[in-house]
Amino acid sequence: SAVISQKPSRDICQRGTSLTIQCQVDSQVTMMFWYRQQPGQSLTLIATANQGSEATYESGFVIDKFPISRPNLTFSTLTVSNMSPEDSSIYLCSADRNYNEQFFGPGTRLTVL
Amino acid sequence: KNEVEQSPQNLTAQEGEFITINCSYSVGISALHWLQQHPGGGIVSLFMLSSGKKKHGRLIATINIQEKHSSLHITASHPRDSAVYICAGNNDMRFGAGTRLTVKP
Repeated sequence: SAVISQKPSRDICQRGTSLTIQCQVDSQVTMMFWYRQQPGQSLTLIATANQGSEATYESGFVIDKFPISRPNLTFSTLTVSNMSPEDSSIYLCSADRNYNEQFFGPGTRLTVL
Repeated sequence: KNEVEQSPQNLTAQEGEFITINCSYSVGISALHWLQQHPGGGIVSLFMLSSGKKKHGRLIATINIQEKHSSLHITASHPRDSAVYICAGNNDMRFGAGTRLTVKP
């Protein structure tokens, strides 16, 4: 199995600021994903982080709001830009090794005031 | 209509009971995940299966790809099993809304 860590584990931010969430995997993985879970809701896929190319975003999510980096096969970041209270969610990253196994990070709990 | 439907939404059981959570999906998938989310948000992947049955401890997952249906069973349930259980299709990772399980001592 792969071990995934996320930083920060939680944060409280002011409206209009940006927060970058880091996701580190302890081994090389093919795919990395970013999800959002709004209060009381299920998980929603934001984007697939591709190594060496731009992220692929799902409908309703745009790069300007959620820029993603994937500089190598073990690391990715998600930035939540110009935050509003509606962005208060848990943000999770996951990794897929060999298109066969999904491993999830512990999540980042974001509160925007 | 959600492409992945779970039932029930909420489930309360007494310790020791046998529990079943169902997942049906309307899109074609190659495999299905069962995830466990504890209070605080941490998610653990329990199973990924594309056919038949998998067992891990007191947890059993079954899937019928042709019928687009999967079940998660918990035998001899325990209060520490209390969590939200989520199924997700492997293609595009469509998630069910989750089943909130509470096991009372």
